[in-house]
Amino acid sequence: SQKIEQNSEALNIQEGKTATLTCNYTNYSPAYLQWYRQDPGRGPVFLLLIRENEKEKRKERLKVTFDTTLKQSLFHITASQPADSATYLCALGGGSGNTGKLIFGQGTTLQVKP
Amino acid sequence: ETGVTQTPRHLVMGMTNKKSLKCEQHLGHNAMYWYKQSAKKPLELMFVYNFKEQTENNSVPSRFSPECPNSSHLFLHLHTLQPEDSALYLCASAGGDTEAFFGQGTRLTVV
Repeated sequence: SQKIEQNSEALNIQEGKTATLTCNYTNYSPAYLQWYRQDPGRGPVFLLLIRENEKEKRKERLKVTFDTTLKQSLFHITASQPADSATYLCALGGGSGNTGKLIFGQGTTLQVKP
Repeated sequence: ETGVTQTPRHLVMGMTNKKSLKCEQHLGHNAMYWYKQSAKKPLELMFVYNFKEQTENNSVPSRFSPECPNSSHLFLHLHTLQPEDSALYLCASAGGDTEAFFGQGTRLTVV
């Protein structure tokens, strides 16, 4: 069956450092991969989408890579800030025109300490 | 705000009650979704609607009954739920090749 694993449940880093989160998947060939941020008691908020034919995407301090051979995505937050503390979700999708139909990982909770 | 509004934000119901969750979007999206998020588990897709038609039901028990009267509104009717159904229920919408927009969710507690 399809499986998504995010490398760790929790990640603690110091302010100003780069946070790197990993998403690995098996038994799936996604057309795209999305990263979301979720704060406690709230819905996920979209951050970045990367398609199968793209290697890297950037948005401000965020960078995501997508390696369909390794079946892995890396999500980086540079110059991290305490406000970046949240749970980050990796999600895979396969259908064009149905980008809300997603398989989610369990999430990594990032804590950025001042 | 993401443009997807869910009500109520919190709901406590007994196992014999009937209640409904409401979701509304005015983003012009044609697809709407219900997800369930239980403690320590990934988000699970429950139902998919495209152009008001249900196109997917991920083996969801019949005590959960979705309804999509138009492309802007989605309901989840609940009846005779179990305590293990307690979770955060999230509605999302998407259009074309855009990302999904999620509501804030309804925190459901079944007692």
